[in-house]
Order: sequence, then C-alpha cells, then structure tokens
Amino acid sequence: ETGVTQTPRHLVMGMTNKKSLKCEQHLGHNAMYWYKQSAKKPLELMFVYSLEERVENNSVPSRFSPECPNSSHLFLHLHTLQPEDSALYLCASSQDLEETQYFGPGTRLLVL
Amino acid sequence: GQSLEQPSEVTAVEGAIVQINCTYQTSGFYGLSWYQQHDGGAPTFLSYNALDGLEETGRFSSFLSRSDSYGYLLLQELQMKDSASYFCAVNPGNTPLVFGKGTRLSVIA
Repeated sequence: ETGVTQTPRHLVMGMTNKKSLKCEQHLGHNAMYWYKQSAKKPLELMFVYSLEERVENNSVPSRFSPECPNSSHLFLHLHTLQPEDSALYLCASSQDLEETQYFGPGTRLLVL
Repeated sequence: GQSLEQPSEVTAVEGAIVQINCTYQTSGFYGLSWYQQHDGGAPTFLSYNALDGLEETGRFSSFLSRSDSYGYLLLQELQMKDSASYFCAVNPGNTPLVFGKGTRLSVIA
C-alpha cells in the first residue's frame, strides 16, 4: 500500500465502548497528526507527533488518547465517548512539522 | 496568534472562473498551501506558494503576495466535479500548518 491508510473506515460505538482508530503511513514521514472534522465544519487539530514524540495537544478531552509506537503508525484510543464526538477523524502525515500534509481517507465515527 | 480568513461559501457557474481569497495573520510565514476536500472525502493537497507570484497547475492557479499577507486560488473552466471545500493553510515554520475554516464552492449549471 502507498500513502496514508486508516482503519476502520466506519465505526459505530456506544458511549460505554472502547475502540481504537489506526493510521499507517508508507511515505517515510516524520510527523503525524489527528484531526476531527464535524459535519461541514473546519478541521480541528487534535494531536501532533514528531519523531514519535507528542508535540501538540489542543485541549482535547481525556476520553481521546493517542499513541505513536513508531514513525509509521498512529493510534487514537477512544473510551466513554459522547454523541457530540461523532465526526470524521482524519489522520495526516508530513515529512517534517511545517511541510505539506497528506491525509488518510478518514474514519467516520458515530457514537450512539 | 494565528488567523486565516477565507469566504465561507462561493457559488459559480460551470465553465466560468472563480477566485477564492485567503488573508492571514500568523506569527511566522514560510508559505501558503491550498487543499481540496470533496464531501465525505479527505483533504488533498493542491498547491504551495513560498514566493510571491502565480503558480499554475492545469486549470488551477495559486497566487501569493507576502507584503499583503494575501493569497488566492483561481479555478478556471469550472466543472461540476470542482464542487468541494477549499482550505488555505499557512506554514508558520517549525510548527504544524495552520488551516483556514474552508470555502465551500458550489458549481452550478
């Protein structure tokens, strides 16, 4: 595979469930990102990792927990989510922090 | 602080030309990018301007004026498939890109 991949593409979960979103990039990039995008809304930057270290956390609720085990993989662990967390979750990567970002196809999450 | 301003919505006729403007106020500036996002899809990179002037890629062109903190995306010979949201993004240097809120372009027949 090439580019940035995300799994699952669609996810429905209850408020008491625990699930994880996975992102993998095959571009040899050093930085990875999680964004949230609610319907017809702007991109909201959630987390940024550079060389596997978290460099930015934009006041995201603790029910979202990121993990970056290596430079190619990024996870977003979800637990006790709320219905307002339903959104498209996008992963992106870039060569370095300020470089062009390449996005994965996203995970469309519905919290019931 | 960092802020980017772009119109929230633009409507244009198929075959016409449309310009989407972006003004920015950021603590640092190394370049301006444009991304396209179709409904339900992911943003895709269109262009990047680091220097003043016009960059052309097929039907799409992007312009930058650093002295005016201003740029635009120009779409020519509009097609229905160009209906999408378009985001400008600033490279502030050594930190992640800062995205605008997006402009929703509707192309009508």
